[in-house]
Amino acid sequence: NAGVTQTPKFRVLKTGQSMTLLCAQDMNHEYMYWYRQDPGMGLRLIHYSVGEGTTAKGEVPDGYNVSRLKKQNFLLGLESAAPSQTSVYFCASSPRQHYGYTFGSGTRLTVV
Amino acid sequence: SQQGEEDPQALSIQEGENATMNCSYKTSINNLQWYRQNSGRGLVHLILIRSNEREKHSGRLRVTLDTSKKSSSLLITASRAADTASYFCAALEAGSYQLTFGKGTKLSVIP
Repeated sequence: NAGVTQTPKFRVLKTGQSMTLLCAQDMNHEYMYWYRQDPGMGLRLIHYSVGEGTTAKGEVPDGYNVSRLKKQNFLLGLESAAPSQTSVYFCASSPRQHYGYTFGSGTRLTVV
Repeated sequence: SQQGEEDPQALSIQEGENATMNCSYKTSINNLQWYRQNSGRGLVHLILIRSNEREKHSGRLRVTLDTSKKSSSLLITASRAADTASYFCAALEAGSYQLTFGKGTKLSVIP
């Protein structure tokens, strides 16, 4: 089992460019999440999904969009990248609400 | 907003010693979880304790929860060099879907 797979692992963007981060899980989990991790800030929730076709905003959603067209995939989009979006992005999934999360290995994004 | 706050921010111990990390949170919770993160890697779920539980064990890990003080502690017994990592607590607020993480405790175990 691969668990949670994130692609790409590294990316450098220029300010104003767009990109999509892909998260795929093979555990048939209902819930999926996108977090960002910045030095000294811990992890902050960007968006989450409680099932196929549903999405909701987390703590820091501005500048990001998400889609969950298939249960196993959760996409995070940056429409116009800004230097403030330089961060490490983690995707996670869980079977339902009150369970531990399985995390991917992260995407390190630099916006110059 | 930050829900879990770990203490200390950094901890350095000798191999074989016990390591204790503390976490405080702000609101009523459904459960509290602990995760480990090795440098440059993703987070790994260690243990989950529900709001109606007071203590839980998993191998060398012992977690306690005091809902009256809104605090939790993680004890790692007989630490090993491989335990060197950052440890995060995360609180699931009652009625919420959002698991909120603290800033972590960086543990160094010296061989």
